[in-house]
Amino acid sequence: SQQGEEDPQALSIQEGENATMNCSYKTSINNLQWYRQNSGRGLVHLILIRSNEREKHSGRLRVTLDTSKKSSSLLITASRAADTASYFCATGPLNDYKLSFGAGTTVTVRA
Amino acid sequence: GAGVSQSPSNKVTEKGKDVELRCDPISGHTALYWYRQSLGQGLEFLIYFQGNSAPDKSGLPSDRFSAERTGGSVSTLTIQRTQQEDSAVYLCASSLRGPGPQYFGPGTRLLVL
Repeated sequence: SQQGEEDPQALSIQEGENATMNCSYKTSINNLQWYRQNSGRGLVHLILIRSNEREKHSGRLRVTLDTSKKSSSLLITASRAADTASYFCATGPLNDYKLSFGAGTTVTVRA
Repeated sequence: GAGVSQSPSNKVTEKGKDVELRCDPISGHTALYWYRQSLGQGLEFLIYFQGNSAPDKSGLPSDRFSAERTGGSVSTLTIQRTQQEDSAVYLCASSLRGPGPQYFGPGTRLLVL
């Protein structure tokens, strides 16, 4: 079953703007991960945030985690056309190695 | 430093036939996962191998689906008596150990006619 749910389902922005997407989940987690998928093929790992962390940065990516609200956000700053992709959050539950993926947010960056 | 590879890239088969999908994980990765992704959907977990432990098969949708991992490396996902609803992209991923980042292969796009 899919635990993570991304919001919005789709997002269209102008190049240079920031893109923000959110992920909500239901059960306690060990970590939360964000992945990118281009053209419906393999996923690329972007960033992992552990349950005891609140914010993490990687290049133009900023991830926050609020375990009290069971939610996370991914911010892409200064977007580029190459950022056009689907973005998935995946939760790593306690005492289990399986990740549970949401349905994803489709981001389109217009030139 | 090769990544995860999968073969074939695409497979078209007739309903009722058996298919085998192959995954070569990153060398040294002890964990291997299979997922299924239908058009426009998220990933559906199928099966997970960790070292020499018994696999977690809790995501396999029916007994027509099976998977094995030989020598702790290459894995094969077998679908017997394929149905049209089996059409999807089948993704394999490996990780150094659970529960860290997973590295995905490019997937096998399966079409059952």
